Amino acid sequence: GAVVSQHPSRVICKSGTSVKIECRSLDFQATTMFWYRQFPKQSLMLMATSNEGSKATYEQGVEKDKFLINHASLTLSTLTVTSAHPEDSSFYICSAQPQGEEAFFGQGTRLTVV
Amino acid sequence: QQPVQSPQAVILREGEDAVINCSSSKALYSVHWYRQKHGEAPVFLMILLKGGEQKGHEKISASFNEKKQQSSLYLTASQLSYSGTYFCGTGNSGGYQKVTFGIGTKLQVIP
Repeated sequence: GAVVSQHPSRVICKSGTSVKIECRSLDFQATTMFWYRQFPKQSLMLMATSNEGSKATYEQGVEKDKFLINHASLTLSTLTVTSAHPEDSSFYICSAQPQGEEAFFGQGTRLTVV
Repeated sequence: QQPVQSPQAVILREGEDAVINCSSSKALYSVHWYRQKHGEAPVFLMILLKGGEQKGHEKISASFNEKKQQSSLYLTASQLSYSGTYFCGTGNSGGYQKVTFGIGTKLQVIP
């Protein structure tokens, strides 16, 4: 199946700093990617839809100025958590979908803000 | 709107069967089933599109009742490797599926 690669897999940062997470589709082009957040023992909550060459679409309640999304190419979307705080600690997962196929998920990024 | 999954948790002995249900208050276009192991990303199991169908994947199959806005995942002769959290997701009707996930069903298979 298609491969979606996410980097880094784990990151620890200090409160107030920013963290960038990359999501790459390795063997297909993705004009649309999705970013999810998952807190421990909870479901995956869609944060935003990343659109290549245009602004991301954010779900209700997700701060677009805090979670910056850039989808500059057909194979790369980035999520930057700005001014991170401990409550932002979570598992962040991206997904991408080849045309006509199911969505494939990246490996996820475990963010810990200390 | 988040689909509702039941049961929330189930413990099986190897070889036993289980059914996980997923229902939505909104009309369904597609239902997606994923399994997630602890600390890992979800892994795709299958997708069912509206039209009322059933799909199979080894000993794991699923049905989709569009009228009842429900889907069920059937696990037969469970194996230890089936342990994990199962999520159903409902997809929109667009070309790219924005999937909204249920809260998950934690399945544990014991020897």
